Amino acid sequence: AQRVTQPEKLLSVFKGAPVELKCNYSYSGSPELFWYVQYSRQRLQLLLRHISRESIKGFTADLNKGETSFHLKKPFAQEEDSAMYYCALLYNTDKLIFGTGTRLQVFP
Amino acid sequence: KAGVTQTPRYLIKTRGQQVTLSCSPISGHRSVSWYQQTPGQGLQFLFEYFSETQRNKGNFPGRFSGRQFSNSRSEMNVSTLELGDSALYLCASSSTSANTGELFFGEGSRLTVL
Repeated sequence: AQRVTQPEKLLSVFKGAPVELKCNYSYSGSPELFWYVQYSRQRLQLLLRHISRESIKGFTADLNKGETSFHLKKPFAQEEDSAMYYCALLYNTDKLIFGTGTRLQVFP
Repeated sequence: KAGVTQTPRYLIKTRGQQVTLSCSPISGHRSVSWYQQTPGQGLQFLFEYFSETQRNKGNFPGRFSGRQFSNSRSEMNVSTLELGDSALYLCASSSTSANTGELFFGEGSRLTVL
């Protein structure tokens, strides 16, 4: 069955430290993967998608089909990055499922 | 452009009751998806509607149902409420006929079942 796994419920780092939010998926077909972010008291919103291969707010994510991973990375965390991050998988071209989320806390 | 609007924002029900939640998508968006968000389970997919037709359904019991109207507004209904139905119910809309994975979310309706 299709599944998205985010193994860490909470990730705490200090400002300026590198960040890596882990995401693994299971899907036998060709996956499309996304990262969504929810800042405090704001709506859930799309952060980035793997097909765009772009950097948003300094975050990047590379799809590794061999390891079935799509980890989100940022070299230098900022306090404003503190939020809930969800990895999502689009499969069968029409179903979007999410992982359980990782809360990122960036301390000053 | 106004965002996705969900009503009511908060509600409290007791076990056995039923509830109806409403979602107005972004103007021009014809696809509406519903998700249940809980701290332990994250976001779980309930169903998706496009042009008044249910296009996809998640693994929820039949107590959870929905519909979409001709103006793309959507409602979801939960009958015979259980304590475990307490959650934030999120609605999201999309502008495309095919699901591209880019959804625009509302602020949610927080349901508490006592």
